[in-house]
Amino acid sequence: GQNIDQPTEMTATEGAIVQINCTYQTSGFNGLFWYQQHAGEAPTFLSYNVLDGLEEKGRFSSFLSRSKGYSYLLLKELQMKDSASYLCVNWMDSSYKLIFGSGTRLLVRP
Amino acid sequence: GAVVSQHPSWVICKSGTSVKIECRSLDFQATTMFWYRQFPKQSLMLMATSNEGSKATYEQGVEKDKFLINHASLTLSTLTVTSAHPEDSSFYICSARSSGPIYFGEGSWLTVV
Repeated sequence: GQNIDQPTEMTATEGAIVQINCTYQTSGFNGLFWYQQHAGEAPTFLSYNVLDGLEEKGRFSSFLSRSKGYSYLLLKELQMKDSASYLCVNWMDSSYKLIFGSGTRLLVRP
Repeated sequence: GAVVSQHPSWVICKSGTSVKIECRSLDFQATTMFWYRQFPKQSLMLMATSNEGSKATYEQGVEKDKFLINHASLTLSTLTVTSAHPEDSSFYICSARSSGPIYFGEGSWLTVV
């Protein structure tokens, strides 16, 4: 199947840490992206994981376990501007397609 | 800065006319470009995939004669919405890839009146 599951909404406090989980059941998987999308804007690239493990980039980290079909995006030192939707996206190299999760709307409160 | 540029950002057109949206990769040669549309509070919907120099592959339910896609060079793809109608009003987004990350353009808001 090509199901990608991530929570619909999350709420966190400014300055805190939040982890957004994503599970997928895709065959032909060849990489996982995380994108941030603010309302009314196009997605912006956050991370790309191909191999298992943790990729750290500033306040954002992304983890991948291919055997478990699992990824998470970790956001540290949350800021108000981090309020956005976060998209877990699979890259299907065999079909040259991106498979999108429905996105997680994160609300950061003061 | 942006690595994929989309133009125009906003366009209003009359019903029955055609409108063209451009997508350019600025820092790399994009062997593959994708076109999406997104309605408010919904996820991106893939419309078509285009590889440079070949015909676009359209997703099921997307009319290829209505949404004309041209990928004539490694840095430019265009989407032309022909005979636009109000129901075509949407947010259209392109993305481009060479290898590795896939980057999105800034998106184009189309309003058909």
